[in-house]
Amino acid sequence: QSVLTQPPSASGTPGQRVTISCSGGSSNIGSNYVYWYQQLPGTAPKLLIYRNNQRPSGVPDRFSGSKSGTSASLAISGLRSEDEADYYCAVWDDSLSGLYVFGIGTKVTVL
Amino acid sequence: QVQLQESGPGLEKPSETLSLTCTVSGGSISGYYWSWIRQPPGKGLEWIGYVYFRGGTSYNPSLKSRVTISVDTSKNQFSLKLTSVTAADTAIYYCARTHGGGSDYWGPGTLVTVSS
Repeated sequence: QSVLTQPPSASGTPGQRVTISCSGGSSNIGSNYVYWYQQLPGTAPKLLIYRNNQRPSGVPDRFSGSKSGTSASLAISGLRSEDEADYYCAVWDDSLSGLYVFGIGTKVTVL
Repeated sequence: QVQLQESGPGLEKPSETLSLTCTVSGGSISGYYWSWIRQPPGKGLEWIGYVYFRGGTSYNPSLKSRVTISVDTSKNQFSLKLTSVTAADTAIYYCARTHGGGSDYWGPGTLVTVSS
C-alpha cells in the first residue's frame, strides 16, 4: 500500500499511446516534484522523468511526464515491445519528517 | 560514467544486523546524496534513507529505529546497517545516487535473504 495510487496494470499494442496515472495528496504531489522510474525485468530501476516532466539524457522523447494539482501522469507514445516494464512514480512527502514514497508500480504490457 | 556496486552477505539470520556497502566508481561521492532502496521479491520499491556526502542523513520513519547509513569519502563508499532483521527484511537492496530529488544512478542490486 502506498500514499500514491497507480493502476496495477496497463497495456497497449505497438505504436499506441499508453498513459499511467499517479494520484497523491497535498503533502506530496501537491507540493513537490514527481519522478518516474522504469524497471525492466530483472534489472535495477532507471530514472525516466525528473522534476515532473524533464527527461534525463538518453531517454527517448516518446516518454513524457506531466503534473496537475495532486496528480501526475506518464505517457508513452509509439509504444514498443522494449517498453514492457514496471513503471513507478515517486515523490518526496513533507509529512512524517520527510519521506520518499514510491507508487505501487504499473506493469505495462505490450500486446 | 558513474557506477555503483553493492556488496555484503546474501544471507542473514533473524535478529542479526544486515550490513551492506556501496562502492562508487567513475565519479566522486562528494557533492551528492546517496540512497538505499529495497524491493522485496515480486513487490514494489521502498526508500530506506539517504546520506549526504558530508554525513547528514534522512531515514524512512518506518525503519528509522533500526537503520544507520554512513559515508566514507576516503573510500568513495557508503554503507547501510539494519538491525534486528526479520523475514520481512528479505529484499533486493539497491544503492543509488540521488541528485535533484531523483536517483539517477543505481547499483545492480543485491539480494539479502533473512532466514535461520
